[in-house]
Amino acid sequence: DAGITQSPRYKITETGRQVTLMCHQTWSHSYMFWYRQDLGHGLRLIYYSAAADITDKGEVPDGYVVSRSKTENFPLTLESATRSQTSVYFCASSESISTGRREKLFFGSGTQLSVL
Amino acid sequence: DAKTTQPNSMESNEEEPVHLPCNHSTISGTDYIHWYRQLPSQGPEYVIHGLTSNVNNRMASLAIAEDRKSSTLILHRATLRDAAVYYCILRDENNDMRFGAGTRLTVKP
Repeated sequence: DAGITQSPRYKITETGRQVTLMCHQTWSHSYMFWYRQDLGHGLRLIYYSAAADITDKGEVPDGYVVSRSKTENFPLTLESATRSQTSVYFCASSESISTGRREKLFFGSGTQLSVL
Repeated sequence: DAKTTQPNSMESNEEEPVHLPCNHSTISGTDYIHWYRQLPSQGPEYVIHGLTSNVNNRMASLAIAEDRKSSTLILHRATLRDAAVYYCILRDENNDMRFGAGTRLTVKP
């Protein structure tokens, strides 16, 4: 039962570089989400996706790009990383577009990103 | 912005019940109320959710006010392992799930 996995676990990059964080789930869940969590704060929604090729902006989408060509993958790209994007990034998924709102989220273990 | 408000922190003694409140005065009739918790250095984990009726599971109970503008997560006997940040979230028709700052629960031995 692999569940939902994020890679890399840790990433250090430099300002201006492009970096992609990966998220993979093995359940064929319809919904996937990306959150960021800054030190000592709650989670903020970046983007979410209801199905392959359907994505929507969350609270803090600026500076991020997502794609969902396959149901099981939902990569998050920082096109030109900035220091303010230093954070822990969590990916999550939940089941079934038909029962959406009653379904719980399953979270990955997170990617700790440092932008120098 | 999150659609829920919670106290920043609460304390409890071990083996005593804990009631964690959440206000969601702008809730719509079809929004589900979800609760998650986050242990240190981990991703959030699901605790419980409900729509209108009170709910019980092995982890906790969820009491939902009759007007649905507030809810309370109940841990029946707090343990040291229950020390975490607890988040109350509304899942709306767009499935946009926004977490607030949550309530940091401290459990004292």
